Amino acid sequence: ETGVTQSPTHLIKTRGQQVTLRCSSQSGHNTVSWYQQALGQGPQFIFQYYREEENGRGNFPPRFSGLQFPNYSSELNVNALELDDSALYLCASSLKGAATEAFFGQGTRLTVV
Amino acid sequence: GESVGLHLPTLSVQEGDNSIINCAYSNSASDYFIWYKQESGKGPQFIIDIRSNMDKRQGQRVTVLLNKTVKHLSLQIAATQPGDSAVYFCAETKGGGSYIPTFGRGTSLIVHP
Repeated sequence: ETGVTQSPTHLIKTRGQQVTLRCSSQSGHNTVSWYQQALGQGPQFIFQYYREEENGRGNFPPRFSGLQFPNYSSELNVNALELDDSALYLCASSLKGAATEAFFGQGTRLTVV
Repeated sequence: GESVGLHLPTLSVQEGDNSIINCAYSNSASDYFIWYKQESGKGPQFIIDIRSNMDKRQGQRVTVLLNKTVKHLSLQIAATQPGDSAVYFCAETKGGGSYIPTFGRGTSLIVHP
């Protein structure tokens, strides 16, 4: 186990709704990154948070937003859900400036209907 | 633009054989290259990484080779076991304290007992 936990594990939402996904990072890790993984594809970087500030963003629209809390846990919020948002959402924690070794959670499977 | 891709989507091997998973990349400015293993229903798991100034790195039963001339990365798994069955992703990232990997599509490794 990596020590990174995500909730919920599965979620079904209706198009147009909003969703919040949560991630608890591994103890001692100060950086959290979020990824979207469509079926049969590699993870695509959404954004990264370091000390509660956004530290990089991928090619995702503004309706994808995030937060990082003082305890380094994080949330991913998606507004106005679209069918194409259906995917596995992964959270990874790491130490900023440290090695490339990030630890991933098991992911949240989001289905938009 | 930046891209990380894989030559083969599926690789089938017999237990005990050596496996070689290949990856092509296009961003010459990447500082690190990383291999991840993703088992069904789980998040990616770090296997090994290599800095751009190296051409070989060995871990436990795994070896990563980097050929910058042809922008090629490979993961060699010795004495492949059924537990090695998974999807393997290569990823590349810049260094400088920022770890934002770009993942390829993945190769499915199937190990037959």
